[in-house]
Amino acid sequence: DAKTTQPTSMDCAEGRAANLPCNHSTISGNEYVYWYRQIHSQGPQYIIHGLKNNETNEMASLIITEDRKSSTLILPHATLRDTAVYYCIVRPSHSGNTGKLIFGQGTTLQVKP
Amino acid sequence: DTAVSQTPKYLVTQMGNDKSIKCEQNLGHDTMYWYKQDSKKFLKIMFSYNNKELIINETVPNRFSPKSPDKAHLNLHINSLELGDSAVYFCASSQGSSLIMDTQYFGPGTRLTVL
Repeated sequence: DAKTTQPTSMDCAEGRAANLPCNHSTISGNEYVYWYRQIHSQGPQYIIHGLKNNETNEMASLIITEDRKSSTLILPHATLRDTAVYYCIVRPSHSGNTGKLIFGQGTTLQVKP
Repeated sequence: DTAVSQTPKYLVTQMGNDKSIKCEQNLGHDTMYWYKQDSKKFLKIMFSYNNKELIINETVPNRFSPKSPDKAHLNLHINSLELGDSAVYFCASSQGSSLIMDTQYFGPGTRLTVL
């Protein structure tokens, strides 16, 4: 079972920031927060991950609350090509991690012109 | 250059047939995965192989048999296909499951339709 909850869907205007929330209230200290997205008819694509500090890369920023019970993925200037299902996933960091990703239902982000 | 490739992209077949889906990665990764995405769009892990050894089998029926001839390939063979096997199957790879931060790269998917 997924350990995260996300809104089912969100809209965003093209060129504006898209802020996608995720709740992971049962996250444990050794678990990372990962974000993937799936554009229609394509395979999932890695976006970003973090443990407790905020992270930024060329695709997005990840803001994790101090208690680590929730996070927000920020796409700073959303484009129509960012329309996709966004998945928030928590994964243990220890070496016993089998590597599998447990996907929930995700958030369908619709970027509108 | 495609990092993770799958063939075929579409597969339509009759119930009871046996079919295979091939997956290849050119990333030099040690670990490969198969995921299934059903009609409700839920994406679930099926298998994982690390250096040709099975490390995850998520209670998949034994009609499904993954085969890894080398660490760059993980093929999925399905016997006696059933209607419920209709789905999109995604292959993925990562550098190694023992690594802490292990990004997975997914293939484009194979849409299997069983009639």
